[in-house]
Amino acid sequence: QKEVEQDPGPLSVPEGAIVSLNCTYSNSAFQYFMWYRQYSRKGPELLMYTYSSGNKEDGRFTAQVDKSSKYISLFIRDSQPSDSATYLCAMKRGGSYIPTFGRGTSLIVHP
Amino acid sequence: NAGVTQTPKFQVLKTGQSMTLQCAQDMNHNSMYWYRQDPGMGLRLIYYSASEGTTDKGEVPNGYNVSRLNKREFSLRLESAAPSQTSVYFCASRRPSGTLTFDGELFFGEGSRLTVL
Repeated sequence: QKEVEQDPGPLSVPEGAIVSLNCTYSNSAFQYFMWYRQYSRKGPELLMYTYSSGNKEDGRFTAQVDKSSKYISLFIRDSQPSDSATYLCAMKRGGSYIPTFGRGTSLIVHP
Repeated sequence: NAGVTQTPKFQVLKTGQSMTLQCAQDMNHNSMYWYRQDPGMGLRLIYYSASEGTTDKGEVPNGYNVSRLNKREFSLRLESAAPSQTSVYFCASRRPSGTLTFDGELFFGEGSRLTVL
């Protein structure tokens, strides 16, 4: 079993839908939780990060961490075709600079 | 500000050939990384360099060598390419610790697409 599990999709939704992307993990030492967005034929870019449990909101995006369940989520409200990309979760221990990545979920938002 | 620059962007090799992927960053970052990305496998770390003069193996180092030429440049070499090394290779860098900004973010290049026949 991989340390970080993420369903690769693809996830196809209509424009305006609320999208939920999720990852589970097994290492309870992870403290920082990140979401990267990767457009086709580009490198990943950090979208959001959270430290420990709780929620963090940035515009249409909300990151949620539930450490008791070892489960993290990224919600996208009012999804747009420009949100179509692969979303990779990543997490790391405090003091480590080697993140562990999920496989990525391919999201398609159709007009 | 170019960020992380990788060359070449595309390359086709025959089995047994050698080549070097080049990476340079202009952000004065200390740490640099090489990943490969394969369908269904996500990003897997090949090697990383915490600072100039140091390199360490990652999850999948076999068949690869690296050189941290200076603070800016980190190259990845395939000595004898195999079809299993067909992949997209990403170089990344990380800003130094000790600043007020999040130091866990990796900055990626656009990738080098390698096909080994």
